Amino acid sequence: DTGVSQDPRHKITKRGQNVTFRCDPISEHNRLYWYRQTLGQGPEFLTYFQNEAQLEKSRLLSDRFSAERPKGSFSTLEIQRTEQGDSAMYLCASSLAEGGGEQFFGPGTRLTVL
Amino acid sequence: QQPVQSPQAVILREGEDAVINCSSSKALYSVHWYRQKHGEAPVFLMILLKGGEQKGHEKISASFNEKKQQSSLYLTASQLSYSGTYFCGTGAKDTGRRALTFGSGTRLQVQP
Repeated sequence: DTGVSQDPRHKITKRGQNVTFRCDPISEHNRLYWYRQTLGQGPEFLTYFQNEAQLEKSRLLSDRFSAERPKGSFSTLEIQRTEQGDSAMYLCASSLAEGGGEQFFGPGTRLTVL
Repeated sequence: QQPVQSPQAVILREGEDAVINCSSSKALYSVHWYRQKHGEAPVFLMILLKGGEQKGHEKISASFNEKKQQSSLYLTASQLSYSGTYFCGTGAKDTGRRALTFGSGTRLQVQP
């Protein structure tokens, strides 16, 4: 049984560069979520998908952020023109649409923008 | 609106009990509890969906008071492995959103 996986686990980039993260959810889960977490805070919702449809985006998600889930399986999160304030842990979670909607998190991608 | 957790931090001796509270200003349809250890992802503990529902998981249980928009997590006979930061994540009723809004966490340290 494989859980949620994310790649890469760590990313260091220079300000202004673009970065892309990948998330592979639990195989039978049709909902996928992206969260961002900074030190000392709880995860902060960014966006979520049901199958390939992006159903909700946080108002905090600037135009520099875009997410896709083209075939309803894995998802990518791209940040363009990174800023130092983008430094955070980016967490992916998945769940079933049915039932209680328990969300299971991946290990995260830690982004450091220099 | 982020749910408010209390206390912000607590230190216990092994075997002691603790209660962590989560309070929201919005009507809720669900409360999720997670534990996160330093440098790791949040680990799902339990979900509460109905008002008054109580659930148990080993020596960890939780209750959900829908009218008060509050949930409490109960840790009994704490073990060293319980150390970590506990987060509640709430799902709001008004938008039917499935994404969660998390509190700032309660840091729990269990000492020998």
